[in-house]
Amino acid sequence: EAQVTQNPRYLITVTGKKLTVTCSQNMNHEYMSWYRQDPGLGLRQIYYSMNVEVTDKGDVPEGYKVSRKEKRNFPLILESPSPNQTSLYFCASSSLRSEQYFGPGTRLTVT
Amino acid sequence: AQKVTQAQTEISVVEKEDVTLDCVYETRDTTYYLFWYKQPPSGELVFLIRRNSFDEQNEISGRYSWNFQKSTSSFNFTITASQVVDSAVYFCALSEAEETSGSRLTFGEGTQLTVNP
Repeated sequence: EAQVTQNPRYLITVTGKKLTVTCSQNMNHEYMSWYRQDPGLGLRQIYYSMNVEVTDKGDVPEGYKVSRKEKRNFPLILESPSPNQTSLYFCASSSLRSEQYFGPGTRLTVT
Repeated sequence: AQKVTQAQTEISVVEKEDVTLDCVYETRDTTYYLFWYKQPPSGELVFLIRRNSFDEQNEISGRYSWNFQKSTSSFNFTITASQVVDSAVYFCALSEAEETSGSRLTFGEGTQLTVNP
């Protein structure tokens, strides 16, 4: 089954404690992205990747890191999380000009 | 810079009513893609439609229809004979068609649709 998986689905952490949210896709897609969803703001892109070792900033990259060492994986790293990074996070993948396939979302709470 | 505006924050209708969700976009590109996604209460994002900028034909899929008008930069979504299961947040989105940025989706703020029995 074609899918994008994210782990964990729910995470509660404390300010400053480094965390990683994993994302994996099994569709051999070139493009992968991370978004955050906040009430009244829709989804905003954090980072995206056009292929292995090729990443670029989206609209709200501050406080986040990504890496793309393998085509199927695109982890999101928060080196020092802060409460304003409490949000719902989505990973997505696509081929060029196709629709984006979204993962199930990760609800992160930073206290 | 790209921008998508969904001016209707919340819409509430009674079952079987028709409802139209508005979407207005801004882009300097001549080639682009427009999308609608549905987010039901369970939280996942469900793809509904993709339309490229050269195809202005309206599209109908069951009770769903989309009206794309480049002259007004709008891509509106109509649900005919709404049902309770249509209750969700609906997002309109825009992407460039360039290879270097083909995965960059700009979303609108979303419209919360509630269909009451």
